[in-house]
Amino acid sequence: QQPVQSPQAVILREGEDAVINCSSSKALYSVHWYRQKHGEAPVFLMILLKGGEQKGHDKISASFNEKKQQSSLYLTASQLSYSGTYFCGTGGISSGSARQLTFGSGTQLTVLP
Amino acid sequence: DAGVIQSPRHEVTEMGQEVTLRCKPISGHDYLFWYRQTMMRGLELLIYFNNNVPIDDSGMPEDRFSAKMPNASFSTLKIQPSEPRDSAVYFCASSAIRGGMNTGELFFGEGSRLTVL
Repeated sequence: QQPVQSPQAVILREGEDAVINCSSSKALYSVHWYRQKHGEAPVFLMILLKGGEQKGHDKISASFNEKKQQSSLYLTASQLSYSGTYFCGTGGISSGSARQLTFGSGTQLTVLP
Repeated sequence: DAGVIQSPRHEVTEMGQEVTLRCKPISGHDYLFWYRQTMMRGLELLIYFNNNVPIDDSGMPEDRFSAKMPNASFSTLKIQPSEPRDSAVYFCASSAIRGGMNTGELFFGEGSRLTVL
């Protein structure tokens, strides 16, 4: 079952912060985050394996609440290069495996100068 | 190192024609995935292979779709006959997952944009 992402789209100015949420109705073992720029392939950002774990990638970090079956992606002091569509992918089994990875519908992030 | 290589990048064909999409995964990766991306349905997993063996093809939409992986460095996705609703971007991705020691990162190719008229 496809995870639900919110918001569907967000527009912000350079330097502002944004939060993208991902929730699932199924029990989660792992959450993967990818960013896709227009006309390009999705690019891996990070994976979260344990409940409550937070990871960071430059000024992009994420949290994973296993009990609530939710993950949030935090973009701090956004840069123009952050523009793109962000996807969360959820896995239900095994240790961080990409097997049975189901992607959300994406959140389109636009950073304006 | 070369990434995942897909061909063709763009394909325009007429309804009823056979379409073959090709993928070369990253050397050493033992998982290969075929995804389809459309505006309506987003990124959908079609099929994946582990060590050249198809593991889960439950995402393949219908019998018109077939995928093979004859060796560790090559995979094909075939649509026969093609229909306009097959128009999409088809991504191939590879990954190396061994036990719990890998991030599970998917490396995507540039995609093959298919238009069926």
